[in-house]
Amino acid sequence: EDQVTQSPEALRLQEGESSSLNCSYTVSGLRGLFWYRQDPGKGPEFLFTLYSAGEEKEKERLKATLTKKESFLHITAPKPEDSATYLCAVQDHGGNEKLTFGTGTRLTIIP
Amino acid sequence: DGGITQSPKYLFRKEGQNVTLSCEQNLNHDAMYWYRQDPGQGLRLIYSSQIVNDFQKGDIAEGYSASREKKESFPLTVTSAQKNPTAFYLCASSLITGEETQYFGPGTRLLVL
Repeated sequence: EDQVTQSPEALRLQEGESSSLNCSYTVSGLRGLFWYRQDPGKGPEFLFTLYSAGEEKEKERLKATLTKKESFLHITAPKPEDSATYLCAVQDHGGNEKLTFGTGTRLTIIP
Repeated sequence: DGGITQSPKYLFRKEGQNVTLSCEQNLNHDAMYWYRQDPGQGLRLIYSSQIVNDFQKGDIAEGYSASREKKESFPLTVTSAQKNPTAFYLCASSLITGEETQYFGPGTRLLVL
């Protein structure tokens, strides 16, 4: 059974203070690892898909990286509008399209 | 604008009542999904559908039913057999070949009266 663990559960940073969020996963055969951003009371917003170890993707202040056991979401010089819950999910090669989600990291950026 | 719409935004269910959540997409995606989100838990799959007139149970399908009569629509019924229906329900859609990222709608919050 696929498993995803995200850490920390919550993170408070000063504006401009860079940090990383962790997503550790166990999957029989990784088809894709997905990062989403979710604001309170709204649906998840897609950020990145990573497919193989060593892959990296960037978008504005965010950079996602992938190894065989974990993924990191690096946030550089964050702004208050980056405050949200960040979700990680994996999809395996098992034949169905199900995403297995972690419980998320709630990020707060203090002005 | 292309996207996924869910309605209503809030839904109230009385004891013993069935309620139906609507999900429509105009992205021309083949696959559609229903997830349930509870505080402190990851999203969990209720039902999925890869093609019209076909759908599969997910991890927590008990107390729910689904249908896929049109490619753009995937309604979910929360039946009276679902004893703990209070949650945030999220619909998603994706292609099934090529880029298979799942894109989510805005969600429906179901509350029990």
